[in-house]
Amino acid sequence: EPEVTQTPSHQVTQMGQEVILRCVPISNHLYFYWYRQILGQKVEFLVSFYNNEISEKSEIFDDQFSVERPDGSNFTLKIRSTKLEDSAMYFCASSEIRTGIYEQYFGPGTRLTVT
Amino acid sequence: GQQLNQSPQSMFIQEGEDVSMNCTSSSIFNTWLWYKQDPGEGPVLLIALYKAGELTSNGRLTAQFGITRKDSFLNISASIPSDVGIYFCAGQRVMNRDDKIIFGKGTRLHILP
Repeated sequence: EPEVTQTPSHQVTQMGQEVILRCVPISNHLYFYWYRQILGQKVEFLVSFYNNEISEKSEIFDDQFSVERPDGSNFTLKIRSTKLEDSAMYFCASSEIRTGIYEQYFGPGTRLTVT
Repeated sequence: GQQLNQSPQSMFIQEGEDVSMNCTSSSIFNTWLWYKQDPGEGPVLLIALYKAGELTSNGRLTAQFGITRKDSFLNISASIPSDVGIYFCAGQRVMNRDDKIIFGKGTRLHILP
């Protein structure tokens, strides 16, 4: 069964450093998303991406964040200058969006630890 | 912003018991989703509901989309040890370019030996 994959599974970085989190969505999906989950809390929407542009972003997704689809398979989230409060699980999701069906499938996540 | 109120926050049950959890919102959603998350993993979609009043089953799981479109419940029958985890309700409005998922805070299910 096709699935969303993410790398790395765990990333440790120092405050102020740039990180790039990588995702490979399900191959026939056209809609891509990033969510984050601070330890013990709910999953929060960051950004949605379709047709090589951002469709919607949340308040969390400020100027320090960017997304890119550099080739036909990868979807990346970059945090330019990490802060301690960026420590969280980051989940990529993708969706096919057939008529009336909007199911998003999540990857296993990348645990980002900022020290 | 849109918020989902999910209850209960946690449940302790005996193996074999039935489980019921629910979610309410002050906003209307036109899609309700139920996900399960195991420790260290991503949310896994269990059931998706697309029509008000819809009742959908997936094995021992049954979920309903409330008539008002502001609530949903999930039932698990005859619980087994692998049902342990966190269950999240989630809503989508799916209008214009907005298809983001709004998650509840989760119900943590514990099964007593």
